[in-house]
Amino acid sequence: ETGVTQTPRHLVMGMTNKKSLKCEQHLGHNAMYWYKQSAKKPLELMFVYNFKEQTENNSVPSRFSPECPNSSHLFLHLHTLQPEDSALYLCASSQAGMTSGGVREQYFGPGTRLTVT
Amino acid sequence: QQPVQSPQAVILREGEDAVINCSSSKALYSVHWYRQKHGEAPVFLMILLKGGEQKGHDKISASFNEKKQQSSLYLTASQLSYSGTYFCGTEGNSGYALNFGKGTSLLVTP
Repeated sequence: ETGVTQTPRHLVMGMTNKKSLKCEQHLGHNAMYWYKQSAKKPLELMFVYNFKEQTENNSVPSRFSPECPNSSHLFLHLHTLQPEDSALYLCASSQAGMTSGGVREQYFGPGTRLTVT
Repeated sequence: QQPVQSPQAVILREGEDAVINCSSSKALYSVHWYRQKHGEAPVFLMILLKGGEQKGHDKISASFNEKKQQSSLYLTASQLSYSGTYFCGTEGNSGYALNFGKGTSLLVTP
């Protein structure tokens, strides 16, 4: 595998289900990101991990729970979602930035298309 | 604070030029440009750092005016493969993250 992979590619879940999205990067990067992409909206940053430490949580509801066990893997655990959470969830990775700026180019995975029924 | 992109959409004939603008109300450390084709992941195009630099490769270039907090992406002699949605991502002076604009949809027709 090369680049950034995400599984599953498509997911349909009920509002009471619990599921997890998985992201894996094979680029030797040490920063990983979760984004939400909805129709006609900007890419919304959800979480950022640098060297496995969470450095950004963009006011994301607690029904989304990230986990970064190592610098190559990132999970997004989902529970009791709402229909408005239906979207494309993108994972990205990059070399870690610095505290004063310097976000590096990000490499995106293909995304998981999530539908909440 | 999300940057504002303009235009929202543009249709070109092959060989024509286009300019996509990205502006922010806050001071910027860098501007990133990405292109996303339908059903695919966004792909990195280039980064511009504060200092007013200009970059380019092939027939796609960009400029960054730090004082105006604006960046522009220039596509010259457009090709069919340029079709897609172009996003700018802006980085402020603190933090690890980018704020993305809503995107500009570009369609190049034969």
